[in-house]
Amino acid sequence: DSGVTQTPKHLITATGQRVTLRCSPRSGDLSVYWYQQSLDQGLQFLIQYYNGEERAKGNILERFSAQQFPDLHSELNLSSLELGDSALYFCASRRTGWLWDEQYFGPGTRLTVT
Amino acid sequence: AQTVTQSQPEMSVQEAETVTLSCTYDTSESDYYLFWYKQPPSRQMILVIRQEAYKQQNATENRFSVNFQKAAKSFSLKISDSQLGDAAMYFCAFLDSGGSNYKLTFGKGTLLTVNP
Repeated sequence: DSGVTQTPKHLITATGQRVTLRCSPRSGDLSVYWYQQSLDQGLQFLIQYYNGEERAKGNILERFSAQQFPDLHSELNLSSLELGDSALYFCASRRTGWLWDEQYFGPGTRLTVT
Repeated sequence: AQTVTQSQPEMSVQEAETVTLSCTYDTSESDYYLFWYKQPPSRQMILVIRQEAYKQQNATENRFSVNFQKAAKSFSLKISDSQLGDAAMYFCAFLDSGGSNYKLTFGKGTLLTVNP
């Protein structure tokens, strides 16, 4: 158990819908990263937050957005869902912004768009 | 942008034997970290081993060791005395320090099968 929690574990929804994925980082971790794992694209970085502020964006679609709240939990919002958005979404947390600090991954949320 | 290449989509090994998974990367940075992650059927991402680029000594964690060749930009994982529980997808990852966001860039993965 990494100490990072993600809810829900599984999510099945229809095209065009909107969903919210939640991540609670390890206690004391200030950084949260979101990654998407799909069959065709592999594991890709989406976005990072540090202490409530967006730090970096990767291959994140405009239909997707995220935020980190004052209690440091983070939410990833996916809207106008398409079949291709079906994937495993990971959250990872990190204590500091230093290079040597390890990222700890949550168990992931499996999203299925039908 | 950094790229990570795992040229072996699948590998298999007999239980108790040794297997080496390959990884190459491309970067212009001099200070970085490299990782091997294991993803078993449970889908949990588990850190296996990491290597700091400034360290010449290869990292070792029990039965797992790496062969880090900085000039060649190569980072292979050796698993000794393979066990059935080692069966998983293995990802090589590069820690990108550009812009201080420290995001991980992953290879496509190598699926390791361990035969009894």
